[in-house]
Amino acid sequence: EAQVTQNPRYLITVTGKKLTVTCSQNMNHEYMSWYRQDPGLGLRQIYYSMNVEVTDKGDVPEGYKVSRKEKRNFPLILESPSPNQTSLYFCASSWDASSYNEQFFGPGTRLTVL
Amino acid sequence: DAKTTQPPSMDCAEGRAANLPCNHSTISGNEYVYWYRQIHSQGPQYIIHGLKNNETNEMASLIITEDRKSSTLILPHATLRDTAVYYCIVRSYQTGANNLFFGTGTRLTVIP
Repeated sequence: EAQVTQNPRYLITVTGKKLTVTCSQNMNHEYMSWYRQDPGLGLRQIYYSMNVEVTDKGDVPEGYKVSRKEKRNFPLILESPSPNQTSLYFCASSWDASSYNEQFFGPGTRLTVL
Repeated sequence: DAKTTQPPSMDCAEGRAANLPCNHSTISGNEYVYWYRQIHSQGPQYIIHGLKNNETNEMASLIITEDRKSSTLILPHATLRDTAVYYCIVRSYQTGANNLFFGTGTRLTVIP
């Protein structure tokens, strides 16, 4: 089944404790991205990757890092999480960066930073 | 990208057609209309997109007015599982960040 998976689905952590949220897709998509969703603000793009070893900042990249060493994986790294990063995070992928193509979203990771 | 306006909420009886409007009066000639939905904090799901012709797929139909300033997403026979927030997004066909702007959408409630 074609899908985007994320782990963990739920995470409660404390300020400053490094964490990684994994994202994997099995559709051989070139394009992957991370969004965060907050009440009243909709989904905002954090980082995106147009292909392996190519990443770029989205609208809200501060406090986040990403890497794209393999085509299928696009982990989101929070080196020193803070409470304002408490949010619902979604990973997405599409065939390429053309907005003509639909994006496939993962199930989401609900992160709470205390 | 053009801004879209959607009603905040709508109700629809189960089995009836759900017609979700979207206003995009500032749309330009190369901008597509996309519809996604999000069921209760799950990942958004693509529904359909179009440029100027009406489109239909297994999930829905998209009707775009001739002047392209508004569109309607039609779910022909709404079920309880169609209860979700529906997002109308206008985006130009271009390469780049493929950053979809999800506004507040329309919360559709299908009533038994």
